[in-house]
Amino acid sequence: NAGVTQTPKFRILKIGQSMTLQCTQDMNHNYMYWYRQDPGMGLKLIYYSVGAGITDKGEVPNGYNVSRSTTEDFPLRLELAAPSQTSVYFCASSYSWPGQGTHSNQPQHFGDGTRLSIL
Amino acid sequence: AQTVTQSQPEMSVQEAETVTLSCTYDTSESDYYLFWYKQPPSRQMILVIRQEAYKQQNATENRFSVNFQKAAKSFSLKISDSQLGDAAMYFCAYRRGDHSGGGADGLTFGKGTHLIIQP
Repeated sequence: NAGVTQTPKFRILKIGQSMTLQCTQDMNHNYMYWYRQDPGMGLKLIYYSVGAGITDKGEVPNGYNVSRSTTEDFPLRLELAAPSQTSVYFCASSYSWPGQGTHSNQPQHFGDGTRLSIL
Repeated sequence: AQTVTQSQPEMSVQEAETVTLSCTYDTSESDYYLFWYKQPPSRQMILVIRQEAYKQQNATENRFSVNFQKAAKSFSLKISDSQLGDAAMYFCAYRRGDHSGGGADGLTFGKGTHLIIQP
């Protein structure tokens, strides 16, 4: 069972470089999320998606972009990397009941995270 | 916006004893869900237990149980018969319900409590 897969696991970037963090899930979940976790803190929501073609901002979206062209994939892009974006990034997905749109009681399944350092 | 507060940065307990981790939250919604997640050194986010706000009965999962006090907006986690494998960061998280008002979907996390198990 693959679940939620994130690549890469580690990456070092220089200031101003760009990169895409990949996230894919094989559970046919409609809802997908990106979070960041700074040292000593809980996770904060960056962006989320309720289905293919639909994305929306979370609590800390500045400096990031997302797209959702398929149910399975939800990549996160950093266009101009800044030291403040040094963090651990988690992708997650959750199930929603077909035709009802209910999902809030469903657990989110997390990937193993990507540790990103920007120097 | 919702906030989640974990006032104990670190807790220590002897193996086989019981420990309680505190969590308070602030929301104006009546429809929401609460979760406890465990994050071991491996960085994985593992769901421990969840509670629906409309249910008065406290959730229980084996050695893990919660004390949900809706009026006080309190959601503490009790771990009975602590084991060495319970050592981890524990995060309390809030999620608005499907029928709540607008705002970003996704989880709002506290800063976490580092649980140490003394052998």
